[in-house]
Amino acid sequence: NAGVTQTPKFQVLKTGQSMTLQCAQDMNHEYMSWYRQDPGMGLRLIHYSVGAGITDQGEVPNGYNVSRSTTEDFPLRLLSAAPSQTSVYFCASSYSDKGWRSEKLFFGSGTQLSVL
Amino acid sequence: AQKVTQAQTEISVVEKEDVTLDCVYETRDTTYYLFWYKQPPSGELVFLIRRNSFDEQNEISGRYSWNFQKSTSSFNFTITASQVVDSAVYFCALSDPLDTGRRALTFGSGTRLQVQP
Repeated sequence: NAGVTQTPKFQVLKTGQSMTLQCAQDMNHEYMSWYRQDPGMGLRLIHYSVGAGITDQGEVPNGYNVSRSTTEDFPLRLLSAAPSQTSVYFCASSYSDKGWRSEKLFFGSGTQLSVL
Repeated sequence: AQKVTQAQTEISVVEKEDVTLDCVYETRDTTYYLFWYKQPPSGELVFLIRRNSFDEQNEISGRYSWNFQKSTSSFNFTITASQVVDSAVYFCALSDPLDTGRRALTFGSGTRLQVQP
């Protein structure tokens, strides 16, 4: 029972490089999201998706792109990495029906990203 | 404004002590959901509890208990007889308002709990 799988676990980038953080879930969840965790700031929403083909911005979307071509996958792309994007990134998923607000999030194990 | 405040940045206790983690929230919704998550040193986020705003019964699960008080907009978490394995960062979170159309949680900044043997 894999749940939410994130890769890679660690990544070091140079300023200006691009990369994609992968996220896959095997629970047939419609809702998926990306958060970043920074010291003293909790988790902040970057982008989210309520189903295949549908994405929207969260609280801190600048510098990131997402797409949702399948229910299972929700990759996060850093277009041109900046030191301010040094953070721990979490992918999450949950059920999405009319009771969505009560649904708990299932989190991946996180990706620690450093941008030099 | 939607906000979750965890004023205690770090708490250190000795094993077997009781400890309470505070969570105060602000929301314009009349119906909302509150959550607690645990992040142990290994880094993953573990769901602990969910509470809806129209159920003010306190909840107990083993050594864990939660006190929800709508009148003071608080959802505090108490660990009784703490153990070293309770050492973690604990996050309180609140469901986003319905009218934002955004399906997400607003997280507090977290409280780091250190339980010393």
